[in-house]
Amino acid sequence: DAMVIQNPRYQVTQFGKPVTLSCSQTLNHNVMYWYQQKSSQAPKLLFHYYDKDFNNEADTPDNFQSRRPNTSFCFLDIRSPGLGDAAMYLCATSRAGTGVGAQYFGPGTRLLVL
Amino acid sequence: GESVGLHLPTLSVQEGDNSIINCAYSNSASDYFIWYKQESGKGPQFIIDIRSNMDKRQGQRVTVLLNKTVKHLSLQIAATQPGDSAVYFCAEPPGGTSYGKLTFGQGTILTVHP
Repeated sequence: DAMVIQNPRYQVTQFGKPVTLSCSQTLNHNVMYWYQQKSSQAPKLLFHYYDKDFNNEADTPDNFQSRRPNTSFCFLDIRSPGLGDAAMYLCATSRAGTGVGAQYFGPGTRLLVL
Repeated sequence: GESVGLHLPTLSVQEGDNSIINCAYSNSASDYFIWYKQESGKGPQFIIDIRSNMDKRQGQRVTVLLNKTVKHLSLQIAATQPGDSAVYFCAEPPGGTSYGKLTFGQGTILTVHP
């Protein structure tokens, strides 16, 4: 089945220690997104890639970076995690240009910062 | 700013009952909406979508109704089952069908009692 895969499902890191979360997709979608979701809140978009074009949300901290080396993979790098960065990180994909705007989410990576 | 929001944050029903989850939106130009189901510890799961040229769309046990006059949509779940217990979000992609930041409602917690 075509899907969005995130690894790891749970990540524990130390305050200030860089961490990378990964996402891959078999949907062959041209847009990939990273959302942050905190408890009892809706997901909040951090940034997205349309093909190789990177689009950062205005309020996304510089501490968050992303890489998309190819169509299938996208990474979220948190350079110096703070306690406030503990959250669920969701990767999503969509196909732009065909008139269908639905985004499909992965299972998420829950990040714990000690 | 424009937003998509929910009237009822929690809904508790008995197994077998029908459930109705509501969502209001503020942008009269909105032309595409998505409902997501998010179970605890998982990513949002696409349930059903609807375009503004439709008033109603049915899926398996789910129906979405769109009332453009009052800018309101609802998700109806027939014969609700314990496995339906989750948070339900309505969401709107920018420009209706283009890619980009989803605007989520605040979410409704559905609890189904056996």
